[in-house]
Amino acid sequence: DGGITQSPKYLFRKEGQNVTLSCEQNLNHDAMYWYRQDPGQGLRLIYYSQIVNDFQKGDIAEGYSVSREKKESFPLTVTSAQKNPTAFYLCASSPRAISSPLHFGNGTRLTVT
Amino acid sequence: QKEVEQNSGPLSVPEGAIASLNCTYSDRGSQSFFWYRQYSGKSPELIMFIYSNGDKEDGRFTAQLNKASQYVSLLIRDSQPSDSATYLCAVSYFGNEKLTFGTGTRLTIIP
Repeated sequence: DGGITQSPKYLFRKEGQNVTLSCEQNLNHDAMYWYRQDPGQGLRLIYYSQIVNDFQKGDIAEGYSVSREKKESFPLTVTSAQKNPTAFYLCASSPRAISSPLHFGNGTRLTVT
Repeated sequence: QKEVEQNSGPLSVPEGAIASLNCTYSDRGSQSFFWYRQYSGKSPELIMFIYSNGDKEDGRFTAQLNKASQYVSLLIRDSQPSDSATYLCAVSYFGNEKLTFGTGTRLTIIP
C-alpha cells in the first residue's frame, strides 16, 4: 500500500542534542513538506521541497534543517538552536506543488527535556 | 500575512443534527480550499476540497465556497459521534505552493 511513513512515533531527547526525524513516501509525489503542531494550534510550515536537491524555508525554519537527496525521502533535523522543539511533527506530500491536497504521515511526537 | 481564521470552538452538536463549520480567509487571490479532520493525537486526513464557488457534496459532507465574501464552510449532515474531531481549514494561493492552515474548530457530537 502506498503511503507516508514517519519514524519513530515517539522520540525523547535531552536539551542540546540534535535529532533527525525520518519521512519516507512511496506515492511517487514530487512535493514534500514538514509541519509542526503545538497543542491546540494549527499547522505551521517548517520546510518544503518541490523537487530533489531543492527545498525552501517555510514560516518557522529557524533551528531546523532538511535534505532532499531522494524523491522518496525528506528527513528533518531539529537542531539545538531550536528553542522550543517539543511538538508534534507532521510530514506530508502531494503529487504536484500547487493546489494539490496534502497527504500526511502519522506524525512524530518529539519531547525534549 | 495571509490568514485563515476559524472559531476554535468547542462546537457541540446533537447526534443526527447538522454541524456547520466556518472558515474565513484574508487574501482574495486564494485558489484552493481544503477541509481536514484530525482526531486527537492523530494526523490530519483530507475530507473535502473545493476550487469553485458554490457547493460540493460528498456523502454526508458539503463544502460551500463564497469567494466574494471570502469564506468557506463545511456542513456535516446526520452528525455521528465518530465525527467528533478537530476540523482544519486550509487555503492555497495562486502562484504559491504552500497551504496555510487555520487553527481548527473542535467539534463534539453529543449522543
